[in-house]
Amino acid sequence: GAVVSQHPSWVICKSGTSVKIECRSLDFQATTMFWYRQFPKQSLMLMATSNEGSKATYEQGVEKDKFLINHASLTLSTLTVTSAHPEDSSFYICSAGGNQPQHFGDGTRLSIL
Amino acid sequence: AQSVTQPDIHITVSEGASLELRCNYSYGATPYLFWYVQSPGQGLQLLLKYFSGDTLVQGIKGFEAEFKRSQSSFNLRKPSVHWSDAAEYFCAVAPTGGGNKLTFGTGTQLKVEL
Repeated sequence: GAVVSQHPSWVICKSGTSVKIECRSLDFQATTMFWYRQFPKQSLMLMATSNEGSKATYEQGVEKDKFLINHASLTLSTLTVTSAHPEDSSFYICSAGGNQPQHFGDGTRLSIL
Repeated sequence: AQSVTQPDIHITVSEGASLELRCNYSYGATPYLFWYVQSPGQGLQLLLKYFSGDTLVQGIKGFEAEFKRSQSSFNLRKPSVHWSDAAEYFCAVAPTGGGNKLTFGTGTQLKVEL
């Protein structure tokens, strides 16, 4: 079946650095991918919709300059957390799929020290 | 705006007992409906979905869910819970008219007692 791969699964970095997270659709093409953020013991909150070949659409309250999204190919979307700070520590999950249901990656645990 | 409510934050059941997780939604029309399961530190796995047709849908791992339009509900059930079912369960909705955005409920943490 369709698989979405997310990398890295876990990253720890110092405050002020930038971190890139990749989301790949392994056996299908995805013109649209989604990025979610999940705080401990909470639900998934949609951050942005990644559109292949065009700008991402961000949800209200999400800083586009803080969370840079690039969807340069039909199988890859990247989320870059720029100048990361401890409050950006969270679990980030991507999903992809032309139609429902969406297929989810295994998530990236980001810890900023 | 659409919303999804999962009234139970935590549920504890004994292994072998039956399970029902509640989900209610608020939407202008009948949306697509989903149940996902998440193990700690993992992504989401789709258990089942409802698009249209038979209101009782079967999913993986012995789960089923029933769509009740009159109650705007999509409750998840399993007749006999296994210890491996302990996880976080999320109900989600998506618009039928197009667009793939999912709106998630707050989740229900299931604990299984041996």
